Amino acid sequence: ILNVEQSPQSLHVQEGDSTNFTCSFPSSNFYALHWYRWETAKSPEALFVMTLNGDEKKKGRISATLNTKEGYSYLYIKGSQPEDSATYLCASNSGNTPLVFGKGTRLSVIA
Amino acid sequence: DTGVSQDPRHKITKRGQNVTFRCDPISEHNRLYWYRQTLGQGPEFLTYFQNEAQLEKSRLLSDRFSAERPKGSFSTLEIQRTEQGDSAMYLCASSFKGDGELFFGEGSRLTVL
Repeated sequence: ILNVEQSPQSLHVQEGDSTNFTCSFPSSNFYALHWYRWETAKSPEALFVMTLNGDEKKKGRISATLNTKEGYSYLYIKGSQPEDSATYLCASNSGNTPLVFGKGTRLSVIA
Repeated sequence: DTGVSQDPRHKITKRGQNVTFRCDPISEHNRLYWYRQTLGQGPEFLTYFQNEAQLEKSRLLSDRFSAERPKGSFSTLEIQRTEQGDSAMYLCASSFKGDGELFFGEGSRLTVL
């Protein structure tokens, strides 16, 4: 059974700090890696879908990298803002199978 | 609003009762997924459909759970003889193709007393 691990579980940062989270997944038979942001009382929203080793994607102050050979992805947030407070979920799959999610990293940005 | 919608948003029921959740996906999406999320966990896969065909069911889906997607449009998830352990957020998501991003609904929160 595919296992996706995320660290840290939770994180508190000051407004303006930059931060990063880790997602690890099995590298064998890798298909895709997804990052989602889940704000309280809202639905999870996709940030990135990544498939290629070495891929880097960016959306505003948020970026992600992917290493499929060693089975990890990093999510970076530059200059954190209070509105970045959310749970960040990583998910992966092997072959064209349903995504398996990690437990998420809960980020709190303190103004 | 043309996103994924779920109903009801909240359901409180007594142990032993049956409950049904509905999910209306984005209309052009052919894949529909059900996930369950409990406190401190990420979403756990339950089942998914491609059009009206149910392609996979998780071992988490006991025989008290059944899901349907008649006509390949909306889907229902029914839980019979609910147990306290069924208390969770039930999330529905749809996608245009198997390797595309998931579009989630806001979830249906179930509390079993």
